[in-house]
Amino acid sequence: DIQMTQSPSSLSASVGDRVTITCRASQSISSYLNWYQQKPGKAPKLLIYAASSLQSGVPSRFSGSGSGTDFTLTISSLQPEDFATYYCQQSYSTLPTFGPGTKVDIK
Amino acid sequence: QVQLVQSGAEVKKPGASVKVSCKASGYTFTSYDINWVRQATGQGLEWMGWMNPNSGNTGYAQKFQGRVTMTRNTSISTAYMELSSLRSEDTAVYYCARDLRVPAATFDPWGQGTLVTVSS
Repeated sequence: DIQMTQSPSSLSASVGDRVTITCRASQSISSYLNWYQQKPGKAPKLLIYAASSLQSGVPSRFSGSGSGTDFTLTISSLQPEDFATYYCQQSYSTLPTFGPGTKVDIK
Repeated sequence: QVQLVQSGAEVKKPGASVKVSCKASGYTFTSYDINWVRQATGQGLEWMGWMNPNSGNTGYAQKFQGRVTMTRNTSISTAYMELSSLRSEDTAVYYCARDLRVPAATFDPWGQGTLVTVSS
């Protein structure tokens, strides 16, 4: 199985801050990497697919980059509605796996 | 709008089975695979398997092989996930999700989740 790790596991930030979350795969996954946002008590929501493609309807302050084993999710200017947990997920193998999540909360 | 609506919460005893439904609307049900993902309280996301609503073909994570069955009723655009031989560790929120195939295993949208509690 492909193991996914994320760093940091949590972070505190203020509205307007630039936030960067890192995801690493245990082997190369090319660009088969998705990012999801999950708020408490809600289902995950797709933000970024194929490492850098913005899902329709997602604000442009969200962006993704990377390939191979190292990936980044960036929020250019954190908004109040962005406080949530973010998960990366690899879609390279026939067994999709998720990272453990990064919780973004208010500083 | 594209939507997946799941059945309500369940409480089951150890050893029992549970069947969760996922009703699709706003798109052609048979055009996209349905996947199931679960999340234990305060934990991460765990993929369980997929089903092609057109053919009925399925693929399951090895961890759940022999215990999970994914089916569908195309006449009512509904997918089902049945998990048997339940144990306390199966207590979790179970989600269905459409696979956008951009590429495969890109999940959007997700159902609202179904809490399954396994307790004696």
